[in-house]
Amino acid sequence: DQQVKQNSPSLSVQEGRISILNCDYTNSMFDYFLWYKKYPAEGPTFLISISSIKDKNEDGRFTVFLNKSAKHLSLHIVPSQPGDSAVYFCAASDRGGSNYKLTFGKGTLLTVNP
Amino acid sequence: NAGVMQNPRHLVRRRGQEARLRCSPMKGHSHVYWYRQLPEEGLKFMVYLQKENIIDESGMPKERFSAEFPKEGPSILRIQQVVRGDSAAYFCASSLDIDSPLHFGNGTRLTVT
Repeated sequence: DQQVKQNSPSLSVQEGRISILNCDYTNSMFDYFLWYKKYPAEGPTFLISISSIKDKNEDGRFTVFLNKSAKHLSLHIVPSQPGDSAVYFCAASDRGGSNYKLTFGKGTLLTVNP
Repeated sequence: NAGVMQNPRHLVRRRGQEARLRCSPMKGHSHVYWYRQLPEEGLKFMVYLQKENIIDESGMPKERFSAEFPKEGPSILRIQQVVRGDSAAYFCASSLDIDSPLHFGNGTRLTVT
């Protein structure tokens, strides 16, 4: 029973364009969401998060949008750079910001072509 | 400022042997978490520890798996009598406090032959 779903296993984007990574969740108790980026043979690196009381959070080239009614969030990267090529994991927590017990999606492999 | 250190990076064990995975958190971090990633899956929470205390082990298999975070030294994830299904990447993370983002190590890839 997957509570966090990333339905696109991979995404390919041209350098300079926008990358949009999507994530759906089923557990209405989730109230905190995070995106992690992972390079091969490395651990996940925290990118950006959003609380359920917000619908948007921005940090430089990265913006996360949350649509609670649709139980959907997305990560926008603009402009995309070749160094952004990695696996992106969506994660969620139901601990009110205490985000240790994260539920992860399976990840989306983003490839940014020069 | 060293990040989360895990060793070994790769561990090969035969069925029935024991596996010991070590994790040193980031300097100043007293909260440690273990996650497991099976092939083609996302990471799954196993256990949350603070120094000398297990806070939440709800993600740990009931048998063969144990974790500790002693007063001195690294956190240890121990798997007794390993089976092929234990083959996975095991990631340790640490945080400054319970509300801070998790910082992950590079993982230990366990292969059971």
